[in-house]
Amino acid sequence: SQTIHQWPATLVQPVGSPLSLECTVEGTSNPNLYWYRQAAGRGLQLLFYSVGIGQISSEVPQNLSASRPQDRQFILSSKKLLLSDSGFYLCAWKQGPSTGELFFGEGSRLTVL
Amino acid sequence: AQSVSQHNHHVILSEAASLELGCNYSYGGTVNLFWYVQYPGQHLQLLLKYFSGDPLVKGIKGFEAEFIKSKFSFNLRKPSVQWSDTAEYFCAVSLTGYSTLTFGKGTMLLVSP
Repeated sequence: SQTIHQWPATLVQPVGSPLSLECTVEGTSNPNLYWYRQAAGRGLQLLFYSVGIGQISSEVPQNLSASRPQDRQFILSSKKLLLSDSGFYLCAWKQGPSTGELFFGEGSRLTVL
Repeated sequence: AQSVSQHNHHVILSEAASLELGCNYSYGGTVNLFWYVQYPGQHLQLLLKYFSGDPLVKGIKGFEAEFIKSKFSFNLRKPSVQWSDTAEYFCAVSLTGYSTLTFGKGTMLLVSP
């Protein structure tokens, strides 16, 4: 069966420091991968998605970037964190480009101080 | 721009009360519709989905939703809620053939015993 892992689960970082959140999917190949940010009362905001290795689409221009160095690995990064980057980040996957449900990881809670 | 609206941000019910959570979307094409649930401390999981066919879809734990195309709505219902239904509920929409889901802002449901 397929599984999705995110780490770290919790992260506290100072303003201006770099960020790297990792997401790995197991048990499938060539998945579509997604990074969402969840904020209280604001729902889920799509940040990036990828349909293949090295292919990244950005939905919201901001202080973050994403990379997909391997088929089942998706990384969310920042060179210099801002206070406004604090939030709950969710990785998700689905099988290919066709219509289908997303499967979510357990999330990473980022606090920028 | 495409959007998903959930009518209520917070709903408080007593056990055995009936539930209806509203969801409206603004998309011009053929849509696929989802309801996700996030129980306290758990990751997002799919409650039910609609792709085509019978507009009344049944999901897990006694939930159902009705797609009304003329009203651009996909409301979630449950005849009798339980304390264990306390969670945040998200409506999501994607256009057929597209890879991304757009989420509503969520509805926090609190069921008192």
